Amino acid sequence: GEDVEQSLFLSVREGDSSVINCTYTDSSSTYLYWYKQEPGAGLQLLTYIFSNMDMKQDQRLTVLLNKKDKHLSLRIADTQTGDSAIYFCAEGRMNRDDKIIFGKGTRLHILP
Amino acid sequence: EAGVTQFPSHSVIEKGQTVTLRCDPISGHDNLYWYRRVMGKEIKFLLHFVKESKQDESGMPNNRFLAERTGGTYSTLKVQPAELEDSGVYFCASSPLQGSGANVLTFGAGSRLTVL
Repeated sequence: GEDVEQSLFLSVREGDSSVINCTYTDSSSTYLYWYKQEPGAGLQLLTYIFSNMDMKQDQRLTVLLNKKDKHLSLRIADTQTGDSAIYFCAEGRMNRDDKIIFGKGTRLHILP
Repeated sequence: EAGVTQFPSHSVIEKGQTVTLRCDPISGHDNLYWYRRVMGKEIKFLLHFVKESKQDESGMPNNRFLAERTGGTYSTLKVQPAELEDSGVYFCASSPLQGSGANVLTFGAGSRLTVL
């Protein structure tokens, strides 16, 4: 079946790097996404990566994809207090009409 | 460009009552999705409209839930009668049918439903 797993909590000191990990089961996934949800706000797409890519970098964000192990990670460099949020890993497949399967979300807590 | 808007942002109702949630997608987005997040659990797909047609409603939990998208613009999701387990945050998302943004969903802020 389709499943996306991620740890529920992560605490990181301000200025350090945060690494949020995710595993998925659907080997035919085409797109892997990271969404961010701040308190009281909707889901904001942070970044996404095609399954034929290994890495994508966008400013402080680095996404690594290990397709063999079905493992996706999001690294946030120089973590700031504004990065405090819930981060959702998600996967999608083109022939599934854009239906996205989400994980339960990782709550990132920033320590002073 | 206006984003996806949802109304109400929070609704508190008693078990057995009816609630209707509304979603206004981004103008021109033919794809419209409803998702739901029950407390502490994953965000689950409910259904997908392409214009006014239901493309996939495999995630709808039961027949107490009715979604419509008359005219292919805004959508409503009605829960009647509401049960305690329906509490959660209901997200709406939209995307264009074609083009570079076709696989990127834009989500609304969500409608929080609390059933007492």
